Amino acid sequence: DTEVTQTPKHLVMGMTNKKSLKCEQHMGHRAMYWYKQKAKKPPELMFVYSYEKLSINESVPSRFSPECPNSSLLNLHLHALQPEDSALYLCASSHPGTGDTGELFFGEGSRLTVL
Amino acid sequence: DAKTTQPPSMDCAEGRAANLPCNHSTISGNEYVYWYRQIHSQGPQYIIHGLKNNETNEMASLIITEDRKSSTLILPHATLRDTAVYYCIVDDMYSGGGADGLTFGKGTHLIIQP
Repeated sequence: DTEVTQTPKHLVMGMTNKKSLKCEQHMGHRAMYWYKQKAKKPPELMFVYSYEKLSINESVPSRFSPECPNSSLLNLHLHALQPEDSALYLCASSHPGTGDTGELFFGEGSRLTVL
Repeated sequence: DAKTTQPPSMDCAEGRAANLPCNHSTISGNEYVYWYRQIHSQGPQYIIHGLKNNETNEMASLIITEDRKSSTLILPHATLRDTAVYYCIVDDMYSGGGADGLTFGKGTHLIIQP
């Protein structure tokens, strides 16, 4: 199984809603990532988890709250978002540490629309 | 600041080799060159990576100049399904022994013409 599965594929939410994006992988990877991608722009790194601990937060607003409940799951909790947060949210995973290929495996993304 | 420079767009005829250039003149000794592509509305897909030597896999070939300041990704027989944005990324990936992700630049939009 070389897949990263993201759910839901599409999400529409109001600015007062609370919702979550979910990401799952069963490749034994111990590093997981959230990226945000606006239309016609490259993906931008948001968070990195390494061995279930948050290792990088790229100054992301607190209305985005990541969670890594175990080595296979990564969540992104959303609260009080703004319309400008509408984007494709991509999850990825990889082996951390030296000696591995460095390949990131990406999911298909969750397309979020904030009304 | 972007570590790589790529042309914003390129065309290639179907069945021909697509050669995508990338400049990375400030690359350091422990940094790899990675290539990913992103087909419209999908997640990025790993293609190939290399440190010094040329590399080939079932998808593509990567040619890195001897001074490592530039590289070329070669898709040997382009098909319409190869139309995508191709990202050249320079990164050591494992700085400090941990995973720190990859930083994507603007990439090259490759359009395969029938």
